[in-house]
This record gives sequence, C-alpha cells and structure tokens, in this order.
Amino acid sequence: EVQLVESGGGLVQPGGSLRVSCVASGFTFSSYWMSWVRQAPGKGLEWVANIKEDGSGKYYVDSVKGRFTISRDNAKNSLYLQMNSLRVEDTAVFYCARVRIRQLQRLLYYFDYWGQGTLVTVSS
Amino acid sequence: QTVVTQEPSFSVSPGGTVTLTCGLSSGSVSTSSYPSWYQQTPGQAPRTLIYNTNTRSSGVPDRFSGSILGNKAALAITGAQADDESHYYCVLYMGSGIWVFGGGTKLTVL
Repeated sequence: EVQLVESGGGLVQPGGSLRVSCVASGFTFSSYWMSWVRQAPGKGLEWVANIKEDGSGKYYVDSVKGRFTISRDNAKNSLYLQMNSLRVEDTAVFYCARVRIRQLQRLLYYFDYWGQGTLVTVSS
Repeated sequence: QTVVTQEPSFSVSPGGTVTLTCGLSSGSVSTSSYPSWYQQTPGQAPRTLIYNTNTRSSGVPDRFSGSILGNKAALAITGAQADDESHYYCVLYMGSGIWVFGGGTKLTVL
C-alpha cells in the first residue's frame, strides 16, 4: 500500500525557516517524481514544487522561487521542502504527492497519491 | 500569468447530472494539457478522480467521467449522491515540470 506521511509543520515567525518532510512507503520511491502541493486556510490547492526521480530536475511556482528548495533522499525514501524567508501568505497545509509521469509509453502527468498534509503557520 | 478557471460553485439535485469545467484564461484546454481532477472534502487530503482527460482512477465509480468540451476540460457527475458534495479541483500540466490548479468548484447536492 502506498503511503506518504508528512511531518515538520509548525508555527514560525515571518522571515523564519522551516523544513517539512515526507516519508514514502509501499513503492519504489526512486522511480517517481514527487511534488509538494499546498492549501492556504479556506483556499484552493496550489502546486508548489516538483523534483525528478534522481533529483536532477527541480521546478517551482514563481511565488516560492529563491525561497523554497525541494530535495530528496532516495536511500531514506524521503522528500523535503526547505522553506526560508517565510511570509504570512505561506501559511498552509503542505501535501506531499506522488507524480505519475507515464505508464509504459503513455504520458499521464498527474498526482496519483497524496499524504494527509502538515500545517505550516507563519505568524508573529 | 496562466490562470486555470473553474466555476466557484455549482448545485445539483440528488440523482441529477452536473458538468464542471476547467478552462484557461487565455487559450484552450486540450488533451495535451493532461487535465486531471481531484475531489476534496473538508479536512481531508485530495482524492484523485480522473487523469489524462478521461481515465478514472482506481475505485472511482463510473458516475464520474472526464472529457474535453469545446475549449475546456470537463468533469461530469451523473446520478449525484449526497456524498458527492465536495470541492472539485482540476489541474493542467503546462510543460517544463509546471502544473497549475484551478480555483476549485464547491459542489452542493440538494
């Protein structure tokens, strides 16, 4: 069974830093792109960042470029999001999601499994 | 800046049919955008419903179907049930490793 378990959320002051983590199980972690998707309180979903299987490619939404860094440790089946220079508007539940790029020769480009999320609150 | 548009809210009667749409602020949605749809109830993680325009995820009833209607992606729900009352989100793949979610549609069944 595929499981994604996030951790590391909490309260941080504006301008501060936080790292959230996601531990994966039930699949070959090193074979999949992974993503972070966030949801501000009462708002919709927002894609934040992706990382390729081997970490060679990283992609970000414009609003977090230069502040957030996505990374992974395939030996530990773990995904990370280092968040620096946090702003009040970064307050959100952060979800870890597995990305399905293709199945055999068929391109798919979607999020097939989701974790339960971890809440990051940026407030003074 | 690319904006993915969805109806903010929709209502459907129990047993009825509703079609939610997913468009682009400029341009058309096609299968090359690989539209996918997700259902989310308050306090829960999203659940994957439809991917690659019209493929149902495992365990999703065939009351849910996806398509391209005109210049938008569409999610149709037939025989609406009370537990279909949720938020529904579409997401489009923009290329170069970038995805953009729509703002979501709050579906009420009454």
